[in-house]
Amino acid sequence: SQELEQSPQSLIVQEGKNLTINCTSSKTLYGLYWYKQKYGEGLIFLMMLQKGGEEKSHEKITAKLDEKKQQSSLHITASQPSHAGIYLCGALNSGGYQKVTFGTGTKLQVIP
Amino acid sequence: NAGVMQNPRHLVRRRGQEARLRCSPMKGHSHVYWYRQLPEEGLKFMVYLQKENIIDESGMPKERFSAEFPKEGPSILRIQQVVRGDSAAYFCASSPDRGGGNGYTFGSGTRLTVV
Repeated sequence: SQELEQSPQSLIVQEGKNLTINCTSSKTLYGLYWYKQKYGEGLIFLMMLQKGGEEKSHEKITAKLDEKKQQSSLHITASQPSHAGIYLCGALNSGGYQKVTFGTGTKLQVIP
Repeated sequence: NAGVMQNPRHLVRRRGQEARLRCSPMKGHSHVYWYRQLPEEGLKFMVYLQKENIIDESGMPKERFSAEFPKEGPSILRIQQVVRGDSAAYFCASSPDRGGGNGYTFGSGTRLTVV
């Protein structure tokens, strides 16, 4: 079965600083999601990556998938308190429907 | 256009009681997924349903758990004879099709506490 490891498990940064969260898969990824979860709430879809070397950006968040499709990184530029939450990467099942195996998450705190 | 609606938001049950969790997908979405998030653990897939059909229930515990998505009405996740270990946040997600290009839309979850 596929496993996803995220690092770091938790992160505290000063507002305005950049940060990177990594997600490593035990198997080649068919597709990779990034979601954000506010404490005690549901998940918000950020981005999906499918092609090796693909990079996508949304506002100050950039996600990349490596060429071998086993590692992804999420980079936040000039972090703000609104970026605080739990970031989850998720591997899309290759069976043609959206069964996702999620990583254990990275808790991000941004100190004003 | 309302998002995915889950109710109740919080549910407290005594050991041995039944818990029924409801999920109304977004309008036009006919694919529903249930996930469970145990304390300090990641989000785990439980079951994938389309209208009136269970497509993949590989993540469902073998006993006491069942799910349905009838032709009319919300999807229901039912837990019989709850135990303390069932305490978790249960999330429902929906999508308009099988593909994954735009991700899921998640509900806000039902937090089940078994006392």
